[in-house]
Amino acid sequence: AQSVAQPEDQVNVAEGNPLTVKCTYSVSGNPYLFWYVQYPNRGLQFLLKYITGDNLVKGSYGFEAEFNKSQTSFHLKKPSALVSDSALYFCAVRAFDRGSTLGRLYFGRGTQLTVWP
Amino acid sequence: DAMVIQNPRYQVTQFGKPVTLSCSQTLNHNVMYWYQQKSSQAPKLLFHYYDKDFNNEADTPDNFQSRRPNTSFCFLDIRSPGLGDAAMYLCATSPGGLAYEQYFGPGTRLTVT
Repeated sequence: AQSVAQPEDQVNVAEGNPLTVKCTYSVSGNPYLFWYVQYPNRGLQFLLKYITGDNLVKGSYGFEAEFNKSQTSFHLKKPSALVSDSALYFCAVRAFDRGSTLGRLYFGRGTQLTVWP
Repeated sequence: DAMVIQNPRYQVTQFGKPVTLSCSQTLNHNVMYWYQQKSSQAPKLLFHYYDKDFNNEADTPDNFQSRRPNTSFCFLDIRSPGLGDAAMYLCATSPGGLAYEQYFGPGTRLTVT
């Protein structure tokens, strides 16, 4: 079965410090991995994705993520956190379902990131 | 700017009173999705359209219906809302193909009284 795990409900970090939001996945076949961010009462915004190629992908707002096939992980990172990064972060994997030509996104349950001044 | 627009942003309806939520896009994407999101939970896919091809998730209640009259518009109809249907409803679009990200609208927050 396809699944995504975000083991931390909450991550707290001081402004200026590096941050990591963890994600592991389980999917048959090659994974297409995504990170989205959601601010209160807003829709999800795309941050970055891994499809193929370089394991380190760079995205919006200074975020990056590293794909690790052996550990089936796709952790989101930022070298220096900002207070404005405080939001809900979702990891997602795109996988095929039987009978679907498009596959579907499987979301993790989300990690609330709080960056304090 | 090309975007995904949802109207209204906030909708209040009475228990059992039908309600329609709308979504429009200027991205000319083939695929449109409807998700339900309850408080601080992951979005739950209800259904999607690939062009006019409708795909319903197996666990989407019959109470939820959708229409896509053209490429730009998609509607979510809730025939008889219950208290458990109160949620944020998110519309998203993407070009056809697995590698593309989805573009989300701002959502409609539905309250059922």
